[in-house]
Amino acid sequence: AQSVTQLDSQVPVFEEAPVELRCNYSSSVSVYLFWYVQYPNQGLQLLLKYLSGSTLVKGINGFEAEFNKSQTSFHLRKPSVHISDTAEYFCAVSGPIQGAQKLVFGQGTRLTINP
Amino acid sequence: EAQVTQNPRYLITVTGKKLTVTCSQNMNHEYMSWYRQDPGLGLRQIYYSMNVEVTDKGDVPEGYKVSRKEKRNFPLILESPSPNQTSLYFCASSFSGAGELFFGEGSRLTVL
Repeated sequence: AQSVTQLDSQVPVFEEAPVELRCNYSSSVSVYLFWYVQYPNQGLQLLLKYLSGSTLVKGINGFEAEFNKSQTSFHLRKPSVHISDTAEYFCAVSGPIQGAQKLVFGQGTRLTINP
Repeated sequence: EAQVTQNPRYLITVTGKKLTVTCSQNMNHEYMSWYRQDPGLGLRQIYYSMNVEVTDKGDVPEGYKVSRKEKRNFPLILESPSPNQTSLYFCASSFSGAGELFFGEGSRLTVL
């Protein structure tokens, strides 16, 4: 079975500082990896995805993530954060066999940006 | 505008009083699912549907029912709600099988 671990439940950073949100997954088969963002009082929206190809994927709002198969990680990064990036971020894993019906989410990381 | 619409957005009810949370999508997606979100637990899948009349249990189906009579609608039914079903519920749909989901804005349910 697949699983996802987000290593930090909360990450506080100052505005314009870089940030990395860590995600490790466990799977014995090929994976698809996703980051979703949830702004306060809203539903989740897709930030970026890795299905195949280049291991460095770029998403919306200046975020990027790198798929590292040997370390089974998919960490999310942004070089300079803004107040508007304050949100909860979820890493998720599925696969070409399992599909969307077996999408597994991590516990979430709450990113707080301080001025 | 492409969207997933859930109703009600907020609901307070009492133990045992049947309720239905509706979900509708206008993107002609075949796949739909329900999740509950609880602090520290992330999102857990309740039920999913691959197409009309095809539904299956997720990870936490106990106490819930679903139906998929039309492609656009996927209601979540709580026949006899209990306080441990107090949660934030999300409906989602997808055009692909990979995991790119479109989410509704959520329904916050409190069972007293």
